[in-house]
Amino acid sequence: EAGVAQSPRYKIIEKRQSVAFWCNPISGHATLYWYQQILGQGPKLLIQFQNNGVVDDSQLPKDRFSAERLKGVDSTLKIQPAKLEDSAVYLCASSRLRGRLETQYFGPGTRLLVL
Amino acid sequence: GNSVTQMEGPVTLSEEAFLTINCTYTATGYPSLFWYVQYPGEGLQLLLKATKADDKGSNKGFEATYRKETTSFHLEKGSVQVSDSAVYFCALKQDGGSQGNLIFGKGTKLSVKP
Repeated sequence: EAGVAQSPRYKIIEKRQSVAFWCNPISGHATLYWYQQILGQGPKLLIQFQNNGVVDDSQLPKDRFSAERLKGVDSTLKIQPAKLEDSAVYLCASSRLRGRLETQYFGPGTRLLVL
Repeated sequence: GNSVTQMEGPVTLSEEAFLTINCTYTATGYPSLFWYVQYPGEGLQLLLKATKADDKGSNKGFEATYRKETTSFHLEKGSVQVSDSAVYFCALKQDGGSQGNLIFGKGTKLSVKP
């Protein structure tokens, strides 16, 4: 089966500009996650969707970050306006099952550089 | 809160050497534990997992045992290959409820020399 798709793979913007990332999860996966991975650190959750509803967005900087999953499939993550500290790899992951049976499958990520 | 601590890298080994990457965790209850691997230029891939105490996860020659008494999940491989060069992440998931986010350690970079 096809894996999690993300685009673009790389993006360079200047601070205060806006940027959007796209994720297409594995077919049939109801749960979708966005993680932020800063260089030298492990990924940290930004937001979790179950179908098109938000389960957890407690760590999403809502003054500048937004995300949606309107039809319960694809998702977009937006940053507006971007700050230098937003430079990171943004990872999308999806899963089909819940609880202890869950396995999250990750996409290749979008590497963002804010100048 | 929940957290994962893994040994600092980078780790450099010769081919066929024995590998151990230490991982300890702090969590309430009984989390599930994972090792993910990130090869250069690629996304995270699940390497192995364990969902309860004394479970052993294994894959591609790698093993890790869920030790609740020491809150550890150390990754081991008896004979590493050059192709094992990657960054390895230990992670936990606090099961129960609808939230499923993984909590990751900082990662350990492994370089295997021929």
